[in-house]
Formats: sequence, structure tokens, C-alpha cells
Amino acid sequence: DAGVTQSPTHLIKTRGQQVTLRCSPKSGHDTVSWYQQALGQGPQFIFQYYEEEERQRGNFPDRFSGHQFPNYSSELNVNALLLGDSALYLCASSLYTGGTEAFFGQGTRLTVV
Amino acid sequence: DQQVKQNSPSLSVQEGRISILNCDYTNSMFDYFLWYKKYPAEGPTFLISISSIKDKNEDGRFTVFLNKSAKHLSLHIVPSQPGDSAVYFCAASALGGANSKLTFGKGITLSVRP
Repeated sequence: DAGVTQSPTHLIKTRGQQVTLRCSPKSGHDTVSWYQQALGQGPQFIFQYYEEEERQRGNFPDRFSGHQFPNYSSELNVNALLLGDSALYLCASSLYTGGTEAFFGQGTRLTVV
Repeated sequence: DQQVKQNSPSLSVQEGRISILNCDYTNSMFDYFLWYKKYPAEGPTFLISISSIKDKNEDGRFTVFLNKSAKHLSLHIVPSQPGDSAVYFCAASALGGANSKLTFGKGITLSVRP
């Protein structure tokens, strides 16, 4: 049973560019949440998708957007990249109803230069 | 404003002894708590969780205690093993489960000495 998978694992982008990160949730899970983890910090919630709609959003600018597909996989898009967007981006999957566990992928390390 | 606090950045214990990792929270709406372990270059791994209707939950070597009146929880690892050396994150949610936004602490680095 595949867990949460994310791609790519590492990425280097230039300031001002756009990036798309991808996530496939654990089998049987229907909800995907995205987190940003800066060095030395805990993960910070970006947003959550369920039934192809954004259900909750954290304190992140509109440059951060997402999408969920009918197969529950998800994308995170970041426009107009800033140096401060350099971080580990984590995807977590869970069950929307009655979920007691949230499982994380290995993350995508984004470096903006 | 940090709503989940892990005030001790690091902890070192001897193999075989007990590790106690502490976590405090300020938001009284939090009603579900989770602990994660993270190795470098990997995503967080779920360890154990507890609902606010309980004060203790056990899973093998891991036990989580919740003191709602003090807004405090702790993770006990007994006995500690060198493979437990990692960063441990406490997380909390406000909708009764793991299906909503998780608010994380900054983490505690646990080192278990052989």
C-alpha cells in the first residue's frame, strides 16, 4: 500500500518564477493538506482540499494556490517566487470524515535563488 | 503568536531510560492532539494521537498524557532506543480529529545515547 507520495523531491527555481508541486494521497484517503516547513520551524498550514474544493486556508498570500483532482491527488502552485518561499513543502492526507490520523509525504525541498 | 509550544529545543537520554517530551498549547478550542517523529530528509511520521475526551493513550513504547486544565501534553517513550533519535513535533487541531488544520510546535530534538 503506497503511502503519501510527492514529486519532485528537490527543486531549484529563480525569483519571480512559478512552481507546481504534486501529491498523491494514501490509498483510501480523500483529503489533502499542504504545509510549508521553514528551517528550524514546525510545519505551517497552507490549505486543505476535499471534494476538489479548498476547505480551509492558512495565513498565506494568494500567490499560493492549489487544486485537487477527482482521484484525490493534488497540486500546489506558487507564483512570483520569493527567496523566502524556500522551504520544505509537505503534503498530508487524511479522511475528511472521522479521520484520526494524518500521514505526510517525504516533502519537496524548494530552493529559490 | 505561537499556539503550540515546545519550549525545550532538545533532550538527551540514555538508552533504556524514559524520554519525556513536553508540549503546551494556548488555544482552548484545540481538542485533538498528535505527535510526529521526523528524521532528516523525510516527512513527519505519525506516532500517536489523543482526543480531549481522554487523558491517556498508549501504543507500545509510546504513551501520550493530556492535562486539559493545564493545557499541557507529554509524550513518554519507554524504553528509549537509539533509533528514537529524531525531531519530535506536537500538533493540535480544533475539529476533533486529524481531518482539519494542524497547528505544530517547533519541535524537540531527541538524542538517545547508547
